[in-house]
Parts: sequence; C-alpha cells; structure tokens
Amino acid sequence: GNSVTQMEGPVTLSEEAFLTINCTYTATGYPSLFWYVQYPGEGLQLLLKATKADDKGSNKGFEATYRKETTSFHLEKGSVQVSDSAVYFCALSEETGGFKTIFGAGTRLFVKA
Amino acid sequence: EAGVAQSPRYKIIEKRQSVAFWCNPISGHATLYWYQQILGQGPKLLIQFQNNGVVDDSQLPKDRFSAERLKGVDSTLKIQPAKLEDSAVYLCASSSPGMYNEQFFGPGTRLTVL
Repeated sequence: GNSVTQMEGPVTLSEEAFLTINCTYTATGYPSLFWYVQYPGEGLQLLLKATKADDKGSNKGFEATYRKETTSFHLEKGSVQVSDSAVYFCALSEETGGFKTIFGAGTRLFVKA
Repeated sequence: EAGVAQSPRYKIIEKRQSVAFWCNPISGHATLYWYQQILGQGPKLLIQFQNNGVVDDSQLPKDRFSAERLKGVDSTLKIQPAKLEDSAVYLCASSSPGMYNEQFFGPGTRLTVL
C-alpha cells in the first residue's frame, strides 16, 4: 500500500540556518504530494503542494520538488526563523475511488534565536 | 471565508464513558474527514464522507466509534465506551472537488481518557 516516510525529529537549528526535511513515498500510481505545517495548539495547514512529477511547490520561503525518479519530496528553506518552529508533515493523496491522503509521522523543528 | 469549526476544544473523561465531537466544514466542501492524531504521530484517517455518504471507514473501530453526517454538512464523531488508548487529538478536515485533495483542518479536539 501507499506510505510516506519522513526524517525523524526533532530538528534543532539556529536562526538563518538552512533547513532540509527529507520525505520519501511509495505509491501505486501518480499521487499529489503535500507539506502541511502544525503550529503549537493549532490544526494542520497546507504549506505547499505539487501535483505532478518535476513540479516545485513553494510558499513562505519553503520549497519542495516532486521527484518521481527518487520518489522524494524534500522540504527546504534557505534561512529559517524562530517563527518556523512547528511540526511538518509530508503527505500524499491519490485518487483510488475517492481521494485518500496518507500522512507521514511528522518532523518537529525547533529554531533557536 | 470561515474555516473548519470544531467543538469542544478539550475534553477529559473517564474510561468507559461516552463522548461526542462536532465539526462544521467550510461551506460548499463536499468531502469531510475525521482523523485521530496520537501524540508524536501523523494523523490517521478514521472516516471520510462524500456529502452524507461514507467513502472510507476502513480504520474506524466500529465496535466503539461511530460517525454521521446526516445533511451533508455538519458531522458528529462519537466514542462509546472510551478506552485509555483513545486519548488523542481528533481532527476534522474538509476539501472541495478539483483541488487535488487539498484539505483544510479545524483546530482539533484534545481528548484525555483517564
């Protein structure tokens, strides 16, 4: 079945450091890929998405490229801020008689001032 | 545009008691999801509705969990009787057709079972 694997956290960085959170997936077809972010005490919110191979999703300085050849969708940001501290979830969604979304376990990011 | 509303935000009950959660999705969103998020894990789909029909409830523990969406809008998730392992955050989300299944989440209900 479909699955999503992301790097374990927590990830601790200093402000302005470069961020990479790895995400790989397995899917039977051609899923859409997402990164969701969850700030403390809040629900998940969509950060960015890519719907086909080689698409790059971007938002708020974050980027991720849909790599079909490596089945990956790594999240990157060139310079993190304290306000980026949150839990990040990689997810895939595939239409199999109704869209079904599978989430990774999440990666907690701490950014120190 | 109003977001997904959930209530209550927090609930503490004793094991074997019953509890109900309510969700109001974004207006016009036909698809509604209930997820269980255990501390340190990603959300796990419990049930997915398309309008008022069930699309997927394969991971819903049907001996104790039930959900309904009678008029294709609001939804209620019930647990009866609750077990200690049901302690989690219950998230409701909704989505609209044609958006590649981008989901909009409510703030969640944190359930503690003692």
